[in-house]
Amino acid sequence: DIQMTQSPPSLSASVGDRVTITCRASQSISRYLNWYQQKPGKAPKLLISSASNLQSGVPSRFSGSGSGTDFTLTISSLQPEDFATYYCQQNYGIPLTFGGGTKAEIK
Amino acid sequence: QVQLVQSGAEVKKPGTSVKVSCKASGYTFSTYVMHWVRQAPGQRLEWMGWINAGNGNTKYSQNFQGRVTITRDTSANTVYMEMSGLRFEDTAIYFCARDLPPDDAFDVWGQGTMVTVSS
Repeated sequence: DIQMTQSPPSLSASVGDRVTITCRASQSISRYLNWYQQKPGKAPKLLISSASNLQSGVPSRFSGSGSGTDFTLTISSLQPEDFATYYCQQNYGIPLTFGGGTKAEIK
Repeated sequence: QVQLVQSGAEVKKPGTSVKVSCKASGYTFSTYVMHWVRQAPGQRLEWMGWINAGNGNTKYSQNFQGRVTITRDTSANTVYMEMSGLRFEDTAIYFCARDLPPDDAFDVWGQGTMVTVSS
């Protein structure tokens, strides 16, 4: 199985901060990497597919980059509604696997 | 609008089975693949398998092989996930999620179904 490791597991930031979350795959996955946002008690929401494709309706402050084994999700200016848990997910191989999550909290 | 509505919470005893449904609306059901993903308390999301709603083909994670069966009813636009031999550690929220081709990303999610395994 392809292992997905996210860092940091949690972060504390202020509104307006630039935030970067990293995701590392245990083997090369090209650009087969998706990012999700999950708020408490809710289903995850797809933010970015194929490493950098911003989904319709997702604010442009979210961006994704990377290829191979190392990927990043960047929030250029953190907003109050962005405090949530973020997950990466690889779709290069079966089983599809997720990272352990990064919880973004208010400083 | 595109929507997936899942069946309600379940409480089951160890060793029994559970069947969760996921009713789709707002799009052509048979043209998409549907996945099942679960989230145990405090754990990461875990992919379980998928079904091609058009031809019924399935693919399962080896972690659930033999215990999970995914089926669909095209007349009802509904996908089902049945898990047998329930264990305490199967206590989790179970989500259905539509596949976004060609990315194998999950673009629409059900609201989740809580399955509690308790004696």
